[in-house]
Amino acid sequence: AQKVTQAQTEISVVEKEDVTLDCVYETRDTTYYLFWYKQPPSGELVFLIRRNSFDEQNEISGRYSWNFQKSTSSFNFTITASQVVDSAVYFCALRLDTGRRALTFGSGTRLQVQP
Amino acid sequence: NAGVTQTPKFRILKIGQSMTLQCAQDMNHNYMYWYRQDPGMGLKLIYYSVGAGITDKGEVPNGYNVSRSTTEDFPLRLELAAPSQTSVYFCASSRGGTGELFFGEGSRLTVL
Repeated sequence: AQKVTQAQTEISVVEKEDVTLDCVYETRDTTYYLFWYKQPPSGELVFLIRRNSFDEQNEISGRYSWNFQKSTSSFNFTITASQVVDSAVYFCALRLDTGRRALTFGSGTRLQVQP
Repeated sequence: NAGVTQTPKFRILKIGQSMTLQCAQDMNHNYMYWYRQDPGMGLKLIYYSVGAGITDKGEVPNGYNVSRSTTEDFPLRLELAAPSQTSVYFCASSRGGTGELFFGEGSRLTVL
């Protein structure tokens, strides 16, 4: 069975600081997909990124970057120069390529960016 | 663009009552999902559907039922509501099983 662990329950930073959100996953499958979703205070979940298990290249999108390391089963998310609008709950998720093809979510990390 | 629409947004039920949470999407997605979100627990999959007429259980299906008679609609039925069903319910859809889910705004249900 697959599992996603986000050990950081809550993180508080001051605006312009860099912050990394950790995600560790467990699966025996060789083909899988990893995701990050953002849940702002409004409540609706928003897709941020998808990464497949065969692509370990890091990805950067503006102030956001993702570091995928199969050796440590981690898919960490870094926000550079954080802003107040980044305040949200962030979820890491895993989907296998077999079976349900539904996402298994971590418990989320609440990020609070103080002005 | 409506995307995924859930109704109602809030509801209070008494123990033993039943109700249906409605979910509709206008993106012609074949996959649809129901998740529940409990505080500090992430999202748990209740039921999902890969197309009209096909549904299957997720991690926490007990106390719920679903149907998928059309591509657009995926209602979630709660029978004999219990306090343990107090949660925020999210409906989502995706094209194929890509994992890029489009979520509704959520339905907050309280069972007293």
